[in-house]
Amino acid sequence: GENVEQHPSTLSVQEGDSAVIKCTYSDSASNYFPWYKQELGKGPQLIIDIRSNVGEKKDQRIAVTLNKTAKHFSLHITETQPEDSAVYFCAAPSPGTGRRALTFGSGTRLQVQP
Amino acid sequence: DGGITQSPKYLFRKEGQNVTLSCEQNLNHDAMYWYRQDPGQGLRLIYYSQIVNDFQKGDIAEGYSVSREKKESFPLTVTSAQKNPTAFYLCASSIAPGGEGQPQHFGDGTRLSIL
Repeated sequence: GENVEQHPSTLSVQEGDSAVIKCTYSDSASNYFPWYKQELGKGPQLIIDIRSNVGEKKDQRIAVTLNKTAKHFSLHITETQPEDSAVYFCAAPSPGTGRRALTFGSGTRLQVQP
Repeated sequence: DGGITQSPKYLFRKEGQNVTLSCEQNLNHDAMYWYRQDPGQGLRLIYYSQIVNDFQKGDIAEGYSVSREKKESFPLTVTSAQKNPTAFYLCASSIAPGGEGQPQHFGDGTRLSIL
């Protein structure tokens, strides 16, 4: 099955700095990579996703980059704000489910210090 | 507003008891999923369903059961066979069936604890 590794597990930055979270995956046939943000006591919310036909996608302060050769993808948050503090998860389609469900990374707790 | 509703928000289980977690969606999505989340870990797939009256086991199905009698509903039963049920349970749905790239929408979870 798909193995998704996520680093770092915790990340603390000053407000206004950038934050980068990295994930690696094992299934070379995967071609969809979403990122979710989870606030305390809530379900995860999709914040950005990328498909393998592009190398980078941006949405305001958030960007995701994909390197299919190296099998890793990264989340970049620029000009961080206190409301960006949350747990972030990467994911990739699970081969064992016909790639219909997702395998999630273990999460990164981002703390933005005011 | 369209969305996924999970209930109850908090649930307590006694020894030897089965409990059922509710998940309802009004997004008209075909596929639904149940995940378990333990502290400091990612989400692990329990069961998923691509269509009414059909469902498949995920990575950690032992001790759980589901049904999919209606498109909008996918209840999860935590049976007494699940020896460590304390966790945060998340339900999700997506437009699927289809290929890759179907974004999943999540409910706000049910926190289950042992009495």
